[in-house]
Amino acid sequence: QQKVQQSPESLSVPEGGMASFNCTSSDRNFQYFWWYRQHSGEGPKALMSIFSDGDKKEGRFTAHLNKASLHVSLHIRDSQPSDSALYFCAASNTGNYKYVFGAGTRLKVIA
Amino acid sequence: NSKVIQTPRYLVKGQGQKAKMRCIPEKGHPVVFWYQQNKNNEFKFLINFQNQEVLQQIDMTEKRFSAECPSNSPCSLEIQSSEAGDSALYLCASSLTGGAGEQYFGPGTRLTVL
Repeated sequence: QQKVQQSPESLSVPEGGMASFNCTSSDRNFQYFWWYRQHSGEGPKALMSIFSDGDKKEGRFTAHLNKASLHVSLHIRDSQPSDSALYFCAASNTGNYKYVFGAGTRLKVIA
Repeated sequence: NSKVIQTPRYLVKGQGQKAKMRCIPEKGHPVVFWYQQNKNNEFKFLINFQNQEVLQQIDMTEKRFSAECPSNSPCSLEIQSSEAGDSALYLCASSLTGGAGEQYFGPGTRLTVL
């Protein structure tokens, strides 16, 4: 069964600090990776995608993908209390219409 | 902001009762997904559609689950005979494409089975 292992389960960082999330997939066929964020009482919202090896930066968010090690990560710099939420990675492959989601990391940014 | 609409937001049913929830995808999105998010925040893919056709689905829990996306009507997910283990957040998402495409989620329907 295709799986995506996500770590850590939870994370606390001070306001202005760096938050880092990790995912490792079990299937080398995964080609497309997304990061989603879910605030309490809401549905998940896409943060960014990464499909190629290396880094991708969008504002305070940087994603990194290493397909050889099946590892994808997300880093948030200058974390804000409004970043407190659940963060999920999601993976998919060509021809597959559904994503496999990780179990999520709960981030708490302490003011 | 996502404009996927899900109704109702909260649904309370007794064991054995039917539970039905609806989803209006973003305008122009042909692909619709249903997920079950449990109390541990884990996602379980249930079914997806492209236009009115089923693309993929899991073995729908002894056939108690059914879903459809009729033309010009909201999509729906129905549980014929609710069980306590069905208590979860049911999320609908839509996308322009499958595979690499971004999924736009609604706020979910929180089902509680007493």
